[in-house]
Amino acid sequence: SQKIEQNSEALNIQEGKTATLTCNYTNYSPAYLQWYRQDPGRGPVFLLLIRENEKEKRKERLKVTFDTTLKQSLFHITASQPADSATYLCASSRGSYIPTFGRGTSLIVHP
Amino acid sequence: NAGVTQTPKFRVLKTGQSMTLLCAQDMNHEYMYWYRQDPGMGLRLIHYSVGEGTTAKGEVPDGYNVSRLKKQNFLLGLESAAPSQTSVYFCASRPGAGGHIEQFFGPGTRLTVL
Repeated sequence: SQKIEQNSEALNIQEGKTATLTCNYTNYSPAYLQWYRQDPGRGPVFLLLIRENEKEKRKERLKVTFDTTLKQSLFHITASQPADSATYLCASSRGSYIPTFGRGTSLIVHP
Repeated sequence: NAGVTQTPKFRVLKTGQSMTLLCAQDMNHEYMYWYRQDPGMGLRLIHYSVGEGTTAKGEVPDGYNVSRLKKQNFLLGLESAAPSQTSVYFCASRPGAGGHIEQFFGPGTRLTVL
């Protein structure tokens, strides 16, 4: 079965810097990789989706890349702000309606 | 649109008690899901439904039952609660096949079983 690995250690960065979060998958290449944001005490909120035939996707300060050779997706937040502090979840899916979620990485942006 | 709503928000049960968690969505979505989220474990799928009247088991279905009698509602039941079922439960929905695949999550239900 598919496994999604995200760094369990929190990522601490200074405001204004670019945050980069990593999502690695094992086994098969997913058709889609999704990124969600989760704030404490709340449900995840969808941010971006990238397809396996796409190298990069952007939305405002967010950028997602998909490298099928490295079996990896990178999630970037440029010009990070303290309000970006949250846990970010990666999810993969292929040919079914059941995504596999990673455990998430906590991002802390210091003012 | 209210999106995905969950009832109740919090609940404390004693071992052996039963309860039902209600999930409702007003987006006319076909697919609905129940997850549990535990510290360090991420989101784990309990049961899901691909349409009214259908249900299927996910990764961790033992001790839970579900029903999807109406398209907009997905109920999660605990017949005899156990301390191991202490968790935060999230419901999610998405359009059916051919639609957007991203999921819309509810705010969660925090359940404690003593």
